[in-house]
Amino acid sequence: NAGVTQTPKFRILKIGQSMTLQCTQDMNHNYMYWYRQDPGMGLKLIYYSVGAGITDKGEVPNGYNVSRSTTEDFPLRLELAAPSQTSVYFCASSYGGQVYQPQHFGDGTRLSIL
Amino acid sequence: QQQVKQSPQSLIVQKGGIPIINCAYENTAFDYFPWYQQFPGKGPALLIAIRPDVSEKKEGRFTISFNKSAKQFSLHIMDSQPGDSATYFCAASMRSSNTGKLIFGQGTTLQVKP
Repeated sequence: NAGVTQTPKFRILKIGQSMTLQCTQDMNHNYMYWYRQDPGMGLKLIYYSVGAGITDKGEVPNGYNVSRSTTEDFPLRLELAAPSQTSVYFCASSYGGQVYQPQHFGDGTRLSIL
Repeated sequence: QQQVKQSPQSLIVQKGGIPIINCAYENTAFDYFPWYQQFPGKGPALLIAIRPDVSEKKEGRFTISFNKSAKQFSLHIMDSQPGDSATYFCAASMRSSNTGKLIFGQGTTLQVKP
């Protein structure tokens, strides 16, 4: 079982460049999430989706965009990369909105912007 | 109101010790409190979770204690082992949001010395 797969694992970007972080899950989960993790700050929600075609902002959405055209995929787009977006990005999924369903995480994309 | 405050930031114990990690919240609408465990280079994974209608939950060597009136909950690891060395995150969620969104604490890095 692959679970949640994130690509790439590592990436270095120059300021002003753009890129898309890929996330796919094979568990037929309806709900998907993007977080960023910074040292001492925990995980902050960037965007989330409750189903194909439905997305909404989380706590720190500025500088990012998402789309959800299929149940499996939830890509995160960085436009005009800035040094403040240097972070580790995690994608997660869960079965549904029932609060007791655990979120399953990918292994992250480590992004440096220089 | 939406914050979850976690302490300490880091913790070092000897093998067999009982590390305790504490979390506090303000929003009384939170009704689900999971703990996630994260090993280096990996995404977080659900460890144990509790609802506010119980004061304690135990799974193996891991115990959550919950104090609803104080709006605090804590994770205890009995007979800690070097393999427990990881970063631990507490979190909180509201079933009524119907989004499964989690608010994470800042994280605690635990080192268990042999």
